[in-house]
Amino acid sequence: GQNIDQPTEMTATEGAIVQINCTYQTSGFNGLFWYQQHAGEAPTFLSYNVLDGLEEKGRFSSFLSRSKGYSYLLLKELQMKDSASYLCAVRVDTGFQKLVFGTGTRLLVSP
Amino acid sequence: EAGVAQSPRYKIIEKRQSVAFWCNPISGHATLYWYQQILGQGPKLLIQFQNNGVVDDSQLPKDRFSAERLKGVDSTLKIQPAKLEDSAVYLCASSLKETGYLNYGYTFGSGTRLTVV
Repeated sequence: GQNIDQPTEMTATEGAIVQINCTYQTSGFNGLFWYQQHAGEAPTFLSYNVLDGLEEKGRFSSFLSRSKGYSYLLLKELQMKDSASYLCAVRVDTGFQKLVFGTGTRLLVSP
Repeated sequence: EAGVAQSPRYKIIEKRQSVAFWCNPISGHATLYWYQQILGQGPKLLIQFQNNGVVDDSQLPKDRFSAERLKGVDSTLKIQPAKLEDSAVYLCASSLKETGYLNYGYTFGSGTRLTVV
């Protein structure tokens, strides 16, 4: 089976840094995605990792350790608009590729 | 490029009624996905199409849910009859056919919010 775990909810202050962790146990790992989803809206792509290491994209960075089944999303200089759910998703290949999502982490940024 | 189009945006029905959702993917995207997202949870894959063929429908409740993708372009998802627990957002996504480790990206539509009362 495929299992992806994330914290349910996190809070942080505007201007701060927050790290959202994701651990996974999957077969046929073929990449890890992070999506941002504002309430009532579609998920939007943030980052993609397939090799170990850190991918940086402006205020957002994502890290992957395949041996540990672990990833994190790092958000710097938090803004109020970053209040959203952050979805960790693993692409698995079991003959065909599909995207399996975690339950998501709801981030609340306060002034 | 135009995004993934879905309609309707909202739907309220009574239990045991039928409902259908429509999705038009990004032009040229061979793969189309239907996800169910219950409030407070991550999206769950219901069915995946490659062109007009079903690749994976292992989590589709086939006694009440059906989906088709005629001509390999747009798709419809139907629920008949609906149950209270079907209340959720139904997301459609599309992607180019995968090539190795490239990030081919999944683009999601805005979803249809279904409320079954």
